[in-house]
Amino acid sequence: GNSVTQMEGPVTLSEEAFLTINCTYTATGYPSLFWYVQYPGEGLQLLLKATKADDKGSNKGFEATYRKETTSFHLEKGSVQVSDSAVYFCALSVNQAGTALIFGKGTTLSVSS
Amino acid sequence: SAVISQKPSRDICQRGTSLTIQCQVDSQVTMMFWYRQQPGQSLTLIATANQGSEATYESGFVIDKFPISRPNLTFSTLTVSNMSPEDSSIYLCSVERGGLAGGSTDTQYFGPGTRLTVL
Repeated sequence: GNSVTQMEGPVTLSEEAFLTINCTYTATGYPSLFWYVQYPGEGLQLLLKATKADDKGSNKGFEATYRKETTSFHLEKGSVQVSDSAVYFCALSVNQAGTALIFGKGTTLSVSS
Repeated sequence: SAVISQKPSRDICQRGTSLTIQCQVDSQVTMMFWYRQQPGQSLTLIATANQGSEATYESGFVIDKFPISRPNLTFSTLTVSNMSPEDSSIYLCSVERGGLAGGSTDTQYFGPGTRLTVL
């Protein structure tokens, strides 16, 4: 079946450190891939997405590249800020109408100054 | 993107009671989804609501416990019935952007969530 696996958290970094959050997936066909972010006390926000192999999604300094050969969609940021502290969810869509997203378990990121 | 609002934003309820959560979207959409996020956990799909038909429930969720209404293309409600402390969660609705019939199925947008605490 379809599934998403994220690295276990929490991830604790100092400000300006490099961030990688690993995400791998299992899916039939050609899914779209997403990163969502949930800031403390808030709802889920779309951070970035990629819809086909080798696409790179980017937003707010975050990037992720859709790697079909390794079935991965790792999230990276070159220099994190305290304001990036949040829970990050990797998700996939199998691109059929009315099909819900499949989420990973989420990775908590804490950035200290 | 889509503008989605939910009411209430949070509530504290007594066990055995019911709570109805409203979800309003700024434009017409075919599909709406209801998710549950238990404390410290990821999101789990409860059901998919299509206007004009019965909601489709995921394994482990039943209509008697989580009745859903979808009276038009911009609105849906989820009721959490006969609540117990195990129902304490964040409940989120989402829509597919381009979710009009025949449109893109690419991206889902989420409401701000309803934080429910059952005592």
